[in-house]
Amino acid sequence: GENVEQHPSTLSVQEGDSAVIKCTYSDSASNYFPWYKQELGKGPQLIIDIRSNVGEKKDQRIAVTLNKTAKHFSLHITETQPEDSAVYFCAAAINTGTASKLTFGTGTRLQVML
Amino acid sequence: GAVVSQHPSRVICKSGTSVKIECRSLDFQATTMFWYRQFPKQSLMLMATSNEGSKATYEQGVEKDKFLINHASLTLSTLTVTSAHPEDSSFYICSASHRGQGVNEQFFGPGTRLTVL
Repeated sequence: GENVEQHPSTLSVQEGDSAVIKCTYSDSASNYFPWYKQELGKGPQLIIDIRSNVGEKKDQRIAVTLNKTAKHFSLHITETQPEDSAVYFCAAAINTGTASKLTFGTGTRLQVML
Repeated sequence: GAVVSQHPSRVICKSGTSVKIECRSLDFQATTMFWYRQFPKQSLMLMATSNEGSKATYEQGVEKDKFLINHASLTLSTLTVTSAHPEDSSFYICSASHRGQGVNEQFFGPGTRLTVL
């Protein structure tokens, strides 16, 4: 089955700096890669996703890149703000047109310091 | 749009009792719902996949007789933890999926914290 690794497990940055979180996946058939933000005591929220037919996607301060050959994808957050502090999870799935299972990474706890 | 609710948000029960958790898609029809369990400082682990009107598919190691899942309608799925024990204490999260632009994204509920005394 799919295996997703995520690094780093914790990340501290100064407000205004950039944060990068990296994930690798094992199943070359995976074609959908969402990123979730989870605040304490809450469910995960989708913040951005990318499909295997594109290499990069950007939404304001958040961007995701995908390297299918190397089987890794990364989340980039620019101009970090204190409210970006949370746990971030990457995930991978094989989308075949019907609902598909997500395999999650182990999570990255991001702390943005004032 | 794409809002998923869970009820209750937290529950405390005695060992040996059963607890039911509801998951509802509020503004869309969810053909598939997923149930996850998350222990403190860990990732989400899929427990089962539930399709409306059919039996749930459980992940390896998850006891189907202990974690009963019912998906009777396109907007409601329930998870019942039977004969709960302290080791079942966890954060239970559901997600719902609907067809959108050919890709089935999952929208997550806010979670239910179960504490078994």
